Amino acid sequence: EAQLVESGGGLVKPGESLRISCAGSGFTFSLAWLSWVRQSPGGGLEWIGRIESGGTTDYAAPLKGRFTISRDDSENTMYLHLNSLKTEDTGVYYCAWYYYDSSGYPYLGFWGQGTLVTVSS
Amino acid sequence: DIQMTQSPSTLSVSVGDRVTITCRASQSISTWLAWYQQKPGKAPKLLIYKASSLTSGVPSRFSGSGSGTEFTLTISGLQPDDFATYYCQHYSTSITFGPGTKVDVK
Repeated sequence: EAQLVESGGGLVKPGESLRISCAGSGFTFSLAWLSWVRQSPGGGLEWIGRIESGGTTDYAAPLKGRFTISRDDSENTMYLHLNSLKTEDTGVYYCAWYYYDSSGYPYLGFWGQGTLVTVSS
Repeated sequence: DIQMTQSPSTLSVSVGDRVTITCRASQSISTWLAWYQQKPGKAPKLLIYKASSLTSGVPSRFSGSGSGTEFTLTISGLQPDDFATYYCQHYSTSITFGPGTKVDVK
């Protein structure tokens, strides 16, 4: 059975950095396209970016430059590096695994349970 | 960037009701649309992809339709387990979510 488990969230101060992790199991991790999505306390869902098998990345324009996605296939783990954190970055951060529809387009088919990041002084 | 809107923002219904949620895209997205259900404290759960394809294991009372810029999620005969927030999502080269529709008890 597939699993995605996020970890590494916590309380950080504005301007600080944090690395959160997403460990995958039950599927061929190295072939998987993966994504990070966050949810603010108000409830809105925001796509952060994705990393393809092989390591190519793409990011939502507003977050490009501060957030970096990487992966270590030997550890079946994806990472999100959050830099220069702001109070508005507070939220639950989810990782998700892309499935493919019949036209070959990737969509977010399976999600982890999330890790909470709180940015506050 | 493609923007997604949903209506209504809140829907107060009773068990057994037929529920329809509308999602609109700011430009044509063909059928690159998914629907998710989210309960408090839980991750979003995929219900429908490619506008109308039901995910394995999701009850058949859920259905999706539409193409281009207008889409609907229908729950035919709401069950107690269906009280939740529903999000539409555009996917292609990037991903954009709608603001959500909360389905609560009348």
